[in-house]
Amino acid sequence: AQKVTQAQTEISVVEKEDVTLDCVYETRDTTYYLFWYKQPPSGELVFLIRRNSFDEQNEISGRYSWNFQKSTSSFNFTITASQVVDSAVYFCALSEAGRGGATNKLIFGTGTLLAVQP
Amino acid sequence: DAGVIQSPRHEVTEMGQEVTLRCKPISGHNSLFWYRQTMMRGLELLIYFNNNVPIDDSGMPEDRFSAKMPNASFSTLKIQPSEPRDSAVYFCASSRQGDGYTFGSGTRLTVV
Repeated sequence: AQKVTQAQTEISVVEKEDVTLDCVYETRDTTYYLFWYKQPPSGELVFLIRRNSFDEQNEISGRYSWNFQKSTSSFNFTITASQVVDSAVYFCALSEAGRGGATNKLIFGTGTLLAVQP
Repeated sequence: DAGVIQSPRHEVTEMGQEVTLRCKPISGHNSLFWYRQTMMRGLELLIYFNNNVPIDDSGMPEDRFSAKMPNASFSTLKIQPSEPRDSAVYFCASSRQGDGYTFGSGTRLTVV
């Protein structure tokens, strides 16, 4: 069965600090996809990144970076020089590859509430 | 692209009433998902469809909940009769072969 664990319920940092959000996943499949979503106070779910299980290269997008390590089943998310606008709930999610290219369900972790203080 | 469109944005209803939530997926997406978000249970998958066919409805809480997808551009989630514990934000998402999952803005349901 697939499972996503975000052990950090809440994190509070001061603006300009770096912060890392942890994500550990469980799956029996060899082909799967990992995601991060941001949910700001307005409530919508904003897609941040999708990574497939065969691509362990770390990715950087501006102040955001992601560290995927299959050996530890982790897909951690780091925000560098955090800003107040980064305050949100961040969700890590996992999808196992469907048969014949079909889409499979997306399973979410419980989320980490990040509060960036000015 | 208009994104995934959900209606209504907010719904307040009395216990026992029927509630229908609507979703229009992104054109060309062949999968549609219904999620429910509460403080206690987080984001939980209720049901999803591939090519308009229900694939997994194991997350549907009970027989009071039903979902349909009569065509590729429309889906409904119905609760009959509604109960206060159904109060939550209901999200619809669509995807094209797992490329990415795009979520609608959600429907905030309050059952009083």
